[in-house]
Amino acid sequence: SAVISQKPSRDICQRGTSLTIQCQVDSQVTMMFWYRQQPGQSLTLIATANQGSEATYESGFVIDKFPISRPNLTFSTLTVSNMSPEDSSIYLCSVRGQGSYEQYFGPGTRLTVT
Amino acid sequence: RKEVEQDPGPFNVPEGATVAFNCTYSNSASQSFFWYRQDCRKEPKLLMSVYSSGNEDGRFTAQLNRASQYISLLIRDSKLSDSATYLCVVNAKGASGTYKYIFGTGTRLKVLA
Repeated sequence: SAVISQKPSRDICQRGTSLTIQCQVDSQVTMMFWYRQQPGQSLTLIATANQGSEATYESGFVIDKFPISRPNLTFSTLTVSNMSPEDSSIYLCSVRGQGSYEQYFGPGTRLTVT
Repeated sequence: RKEVEQDPGPFNVPEGATVAFNCTYSNSASQSFFWYRQDCRKEPKLLMSVYSSGNEDGRFTAQLNRASQYISLLIRDSKLSDSATYLCVVNAKGASGTYKYIFGTGTRLKVLA
């Protein structure tokens, strides 16, 4: 399995500001994903980060709110824009293993918006 | 109806007990299936993939019934360290045509001394 790191691990932000979360993987991976886990709930897929092209967003998530970059096969960023308290959540990046459908998750970024 | 349904629990069981979790899914075209374990304030960790023939890993046994669209996880000889939330995950084709993970809400297990 891949080793995945995320920065920052946590942050407290004011409403109206933006936060960029970084995800770094120790090996090249084709598929990277960004998820949100709201308090007491399970994970919801925000988007698939595609290398060299625009991310693919799930229903309910838009690029203006959650812009994603994927400059290479080991790195991606997710920005949470114009934050409101409803964006308080854990944001996790995930990668798919080579040749399988198994996914591995980063440690998450715990975001609190005040 | 949720795409992946689990009993949220909590299941409180004594050490050494056998406990089983069930999960149902609605998309008959689902391709692959997994159980993840999530400890409090941690990321989900892959526990095991679930194969059509069923599979076992130590004290853990997973089974898949495609006809009934049902997945199960059996934990034998429960340990205190098994206390966690167990997430049922189905890999199914989304509206965009690509496969994606769909998570159940998780079943909380607490093993008591």
